[in-house]
Amino acid sequence: GENVEQHPSTLSVQEGDSAVIKCTYSDSASNYFPWYKQELGKRPQLIIDIRSNVGEKKDQRIAVTLNKTAKHFSLHITETQPEDSAVYFCAATDSWGKFQFGAGTQVVVTP
Amino acid sequence: KAGVTQTPRYLIKTRGQQVTLSCSPISGHRSVSWYQQTPGQGLQFLFEYFSETQRNKGNFPGRFSGRQFSNSRSEMNVSTLELGDSALYLCASSPVGKKETQYFGPGTRLLVL
Repeated sequence: GENVEQHPSTLSVQEGDSAVIKCTYSDSASNYFPWYKQELGKRPQLIIDIRSNVGEKKDQRIAVTLNKTAKHFSLHITETQPEDSAVYFCAATDSWGKFQFGAGTQVVVTP
Repeated sequence: KAGVTQTPRYLIKTRGQQVTLSCSPISGHRSVSWYQQTPGQGLQFLFEYFSETQRNKGNFPGRFSGRQFSNSRSEMNVSTLELGDSALYLCASSPVGKKETQYFGPGTRLLVL
């Protein structure tokens, strides 16, 4: 089955700097890669996703890149703000829709 | 539209007991997935139901079971509770035709003593 590894487990950045979180997956059949943000005490919320036929996707200050050959994908947050502080989860899903999540990255943005 | 709702929000049980958690998906959504969230383990997939049928299953023991009703509401049951079952249990629903797009509920926090 699919196995998703996520790094780093914690990430501390100064406000205004960029944050990068990386995930690797094992199943070459995986074709959908969402990223979720979970603020303390709240439910995970989808922030961006990418499909296997696309190499990069941007939405304002966040972007995701996918390298199918190397089986890794990354989340990039630019100009970080305190409200970006949260736990971020990557996930990979196969054509059956079965999700495998990474262990999460705790991002702390300090003013 | 109302979001995904889960009941109860908090639950305390003792070892050996069983528990049933409920999830009501967004109106019109027919797919419901369940996850266990623990610190350090992230979200572990339990199972997914679509139109009252289990479509996918994760690697959890048989003590974990679920079902889905004709109105798409879903329940999961954990029998013979163990201390390690203490976790946040999240359900997520997906719209028809967009099964990969998941909307999460607030979760049920289960504490097993």
